Amino acid sequence: DARVTQTPRHKVTEMGQEVTMRCQPILGHNTVFWYRQTMMQGLELLAYFRNRAPLDDSGMPKDRFSAEMPDATLATLKIQPSEPRDSAVYFCASGLPPGQGGNTEAFFGQGTRLTVV
Amino acid sequence: GQNIDQPTEMTATEGAIVQINCTYQTSGFNGLFWYQQHAGEAPTFLSYNVLDGLEEKGRFSSFLSRSKGYSYLLLKELQMKDSASYLCAVKKAGTALIFGKGTTLSVSS
Repeated sequence: DARVTQTPRHKVTEMGQEVTMRCQPILGHNTVFWYRQTMMQGLELLAYFRNRAPLDDSGMPKDRFSAEMPDATLATLKIQPSEPRDSAVYFCASGLPPGQGGNTEAFFGQGTRLTVV
Repeated sequence: GQNIDQPTEMTATEGAIVQINCTYQTSGFNGLFWYQQHAGEAPTFLSYNVLDGLEEKGRFSSFLSRSKGYSYLLLKELQMKDSASYLCAVKKAGTALIFGKGTTLSVSS
């Protein structure tokens, strides 16, 4: 059963601490997305990778957020230092672009619920 | 940028039909997606339209008019389990999906 796996599922941390969220995309998917979801803003795109290269990270606050793909099976999103306003659910999604067998574009993981106190 | 508008909330009763509208403004349009998201869960894919017209998939159908920047999701024979948020998302060529804020549908008996 192919699925996107995210860890941890829940994280509570104190303001100022570093937070690292991990994502394992579906095997064979070459496109990875990070989204953040809040009640006020809905789902916001933070970053977007294809073949491990960042294509768009314009939605990500560069001073504290960073996203990487050390290899094809792992994507990471780091926040340092974390702030209370970063509290949200962070979703990772993966897919294949149209023309490479893709259509649905994004399969979502279960998310990491982050609370910064 | 992209503006994607959909109603915040809708209510309906079991067995009824409901239509959730979505309007968008974007350049380089390359498809419109609908996702379903139950509370506390991940969004899951429902439908994809890139050409004008109606796509039917069981109880769910999605319509697109590119010239009007308009789509709707039609849910028939509503069931309690259809209570969820429905997210409209637009795809531009070369970029990721951009989502609307979602419509929360409540189905009552």
